[in-house]
Amino acid sequence: DSGVTQTPKHLITATGQRVTLRCSPRSGDLSVYWYQQSLDQGLQFLIQYYNGEERAKGNILERFSAQQFPDLHSELNLSSLELGDSALYFCASSVSPTREQFFGPGTRLTVL
Amino acid sequence: AQSVTQPDIHITVSEGASLELRCNYSYGATPYLFWYVQSPGQGLQLLLKYFSGDTLVQGIKGFEAEFKRSQSSFNLRKPSVHWSDAAEYFCAVGDWSGTGNQFYFGTGTSLTVIP
Repeated sequence: DSGVTQTPKHLITATGQRVTLRCSPRSGDLSVYWYQQSLDQGLQFLIQYYNGEERAKGNILERFSAQQFPDLHSELNLSSLELGDSALYFCASSVSPTREQFFGPGTRLTVL
Repeated sequence: AQSVTQPDIHITVSEGASLELRCNYSYGATPYLFWYVQSPGQGLQLLLKYFSGDTLVQGIKGFEAEFKRSQSSFNLRKPSVHWSDAAEYFCAVGDWSGTGNQFYFGTGTSLTVIP
């Protein structure tokens, strides 16, 4: 158990819908990262927050957005969902941007 | 641009045999390197990391990795594989050069262990 929690574990929704994934970092970690893992794209970095501020952006679509709240939990919002958005979404956290990341168990999103 | 290559998509070893998983990276400065393991349906677990210093690093579960700057490699090794080691292994390089911290992951190596 890494100490990073993600909810929900599974999410099934329809195309065009919007969903919110939630992540709570390890106690004391200020940085949160979001990744998407799919069979064809592998593990792709989406976005990073540090203490509430966006720090780095990867291959995140404009339909996707995220934020980190004052209590340091983070949410990833996915809108206008497409079939291709079906994937595992991981959250990771680290104590600072220059340290190793610890991963949560992931949320499996299925878009029908 | 930073990148990580894991040349072996899939490896099969016998239980008790030694293991080496290859990782090559492309990075302009001193790299920060990591190996993670992912069991089916699970998140990624950190096995070991290299930031600086001794080029042979020890990790959890009996794994070790050696950083070779001249070969741009960070190969993962284990002297004797156990059936429970069957999983997906990912090498990653950390890029600290910007304001954030972006990890670049390889495509992974799937390890099968046969009795």
